[in-house]
Amino acid sequence: EAGVAQSPRYKIIEKRQSVAFWCNPISGHATLYWYQQILGQGPKLLIQFQNNGVVDDSQLPKDRFSAERLKGVDSTLKIQPAKLEDSAVYLCASSAGNTDTQYFGPGTRLTVL
Amino acid sequence: KQEVTQIPAALSVPEGENLVLNCSFTDSAIYNLQWFRQDPGKGLTSLLLIQSSQREQTSGRLNASLDKSSGRSTLYIAASQPGDSATYLCAVRKGAGTYKYIFGTGTRLKVLA
Repeated sequence: EAGVAQSPRYKIIEKRQSVAFWCNPISGHATLYWYQQILGQGPKLLIQFQNNGVVDDSQLPKDRFSAERLKGVDSTLKIQPAKLEDSAVYLCASSAGNTDTQYFGPGTRLTVL
Repeated sequence: KQEVTQIPAALSVPEGENLVLNCSFTDSAIYNLQWFRQDPGKGLTSLLLIQSSQREQTSGRLNASLDKSSGRSTLYIAASQPGDSATYLCAVRKGAGTYKYIFGTGTRLKVLA
């Protein structure tokens, strides 16, 4: 079974630029999560999708971050414009519906200069 | 607001030692607690999940305990091996109505051969 795929693995941009991350969850997984992990901290949930719908986006900075999950499969997380404090690893995870078991992708390491 | 703290932040031990990682949380009203392992450049892998009604869970050389009333959990690793080197994160789930986890800052473990 293929795991959660994320791309790109690394991205370096300058502040005020835009960036997008892509996530392909495990086939059949209805729930998809995006986390932000700043160096030295634990992951923080940004947004949770159940199929196409948003379940929780309470910690998503909506003035600059947006996310979508088209057709309930792949998802894209966008930052526009990026700030220095957005430098972090962005992790995507998926689960088979209402379960505690989340499968994590390798993450995208973003550096904002 | 739930806060999760892990002590120590980093730990280095010789191979074969038994060790204990600590996790504390400020709000004892949790649904469950998970321990994760994170290897460099990789996502998180769940190690053990303890429901709020349980006192401990075991998997191989790993044993996790939970004392909800005091807001503490420990992860015990027996006979440590170099392959155990990783960052260990604990995370608490707030309630039955959400799969949102609050993560601790992690303990970075290095087991020396």
